[in-house]
Amino acid sequence: AQSVAQPEDQVNVAEGNPLTVKCTYSVSGNPYLFWYVQYPNRGLQFLLKYITGDNLVKGSYGFEAEFNKSQTSFHLKKPSALVSDSALYFCAVTPTAGNKLTFGGGTRVLVKP
Amino acid sequence: DTAVSQTPKYLVTQMGNDKSIKCEQNLGHDTMYWYKQDSKKFLKIMFSYNNKELIINETVPNRFSPKSPDKAHLNLHINSLELGDSAVYFCASSQVRGLGTDTQYFGPGTRLTVL
Repeated sequence: AQSVAQPEDQVNVAEGNPLTVKCTYSVSGNPYLFWYVQYPNRGLQFLLKYITGDNLVKGSYGFEAEFNKSQTSFHLKKPSALVSDSALYFCAVTPTAGNKLTFGGGTRVLVKP
Repeated sequence: DTAVSQTPKYLVTQMGNDKSIKCEQNLGHDTMYWYKQDSKKFLKIMFSYNNKELIINETVPNRFSPKSPDKAHLNLHINSLELGDSAVYFCASSQVRGLGTDTQYFGPGTRLTVL
C-alpha cells in the first residue's frame, strides 16, 4: 500500500526567507508525486508534479520540488516566501499503475511579514 | 470559466436526512472523483468514475452512493446522514483513466454539517 508522510504539522517562516515543506513517500514501483496547495475555504490547487526525468521540478508561483529516490523524498521549496504563500500544503502520490491519489496529512505554512 | 464546480458550497442538515451534492466539470475529462476531508484536514479518496463507470470504490458505507449521469457530472448522494459524515467533500477530475501521471483538478468543496 502506498503512503505519504509530511512530518511537520506547521512551518513558520519570515517573508523573504527560503521555505521548505518536507514529504516522504512509500509506494511500489516508480512513484508519481504531486504537490497541492489549499488556501482557506478553497479547494486544492495543483502546484507541480514529478513523473520522470529531471529530479528538480518547477511549478506554479515560484515553487519547486526535488525528487530524491534514495531518500524517498519530494520536498517542496521556494527561495523567497511571501505572506500570500500562507496556506495548507499537501503532498500526494500515485502508483505506477492506477490513479488512486494518496495524500499526506498536510503542512500548514505561515509566512510572517 | 469554472473548471470543476460543486453545489451547494455549504450544506447543514439534521441526522437521518438524505442529501445530495452535485459536481460538474467542463474540462472534457474522462475521470471524476470524490474525496472526503475530515476535521483534521486529512484527505481520502472515496470513489472514482471513468466515463460513467465506477473504477475506485474505497471502504465507504453503502449510505454513500455516487451517480454519474454523464462523464461531465458525478453526484454524491448520502442516505441517513450521521454526525460523523460532517466533513468537506471535494470533487475532482482528470483526463485519462487509470493513468497515475495525470493531474487531478479539484472543485471548491462542499462543507457538510450534520446536526
